[in-house]
Amino acid sequence: DAGVIQSPRHEVTEMGQEVTLRCKPISGHDYLFWYRQTMMRGLELLIYFNNNVPIDDSGMPEDRFSAKMPNASFSTLKIQPSEPRDSAVYFCASSFGSSDNEQFFGPGTRLTVL
Amino acid sequence: KNQVEQSPQSLIILEGKNCTLQCNYTVSPFSNLRWYKQDTGRGPVSLTIMTFSENTKSNGRYTATLDADTKQSSLHITASQLSDSASYICVVSFNTNAGKSTFGDGTTLTVKP
Repeated sequence: DAGVIQSPRHEVTEMGQEVTLRCKPISGHDYLFWYRQTMMRGLELLIYFNNNVPIDDSGMPEDRFSAKMPNASFSTLKIQPSEPRDSAVYFCASSFGSSDNEQFFGPGTRLTVL
Repeated sequence: KNQVEQSPQSLIILEGKNCTLQCNYTVSPFSNLRWYKQDTGRGPVSLTIMTFSENTKSNGRYTATLDADTKQSSLHITASQLSDSASYICVVSFNTNAGKSTFGDGTTLTVKP
């Protein structure tokens, strides 16, 4: 298996633009997580899905952030409009069977908002 | 407020030596505690997951211990290798809900030849 796939690996955009990050979880995994990592705040859970349904989005910073999972093999995290403080590395992870089981992380998307 | 504190913030050791990283938490009620290893520029990789009833778990040269009474966990690395240089993150979950996880700031370990 190729593991969790994220795209793009790097994204540079200007303030106010819409940004869409993409994730393909490991086949067969029924949980998908979106994280954000910064030097100041460390690793933060933004939202997670179970069987394509959002379970907990309490970590989503504000309404500018939205996440969808239209099917078991694809999820997006959208920021609209983007701001410089959104600059971070965004990770997608997936697990099987339980949100407490081992999570497999993707390589991350490094987002820079100018 | 639920907190997870890791120490030391950073650590430098010589190749072949052992080391121990600490994680203290105030999360309650407790569901599980996880240790991750994160290499620079890569996503975290799970090392161990321990529930309330477990007090030790090993993964190769990595051994995690848990004292639920004192709310302390440690990660012991034996016979360190250069490839162990990474950030180690402690994560504590409660209410069996990953959305209710608290992350430590991590310990940066550097192994020198």
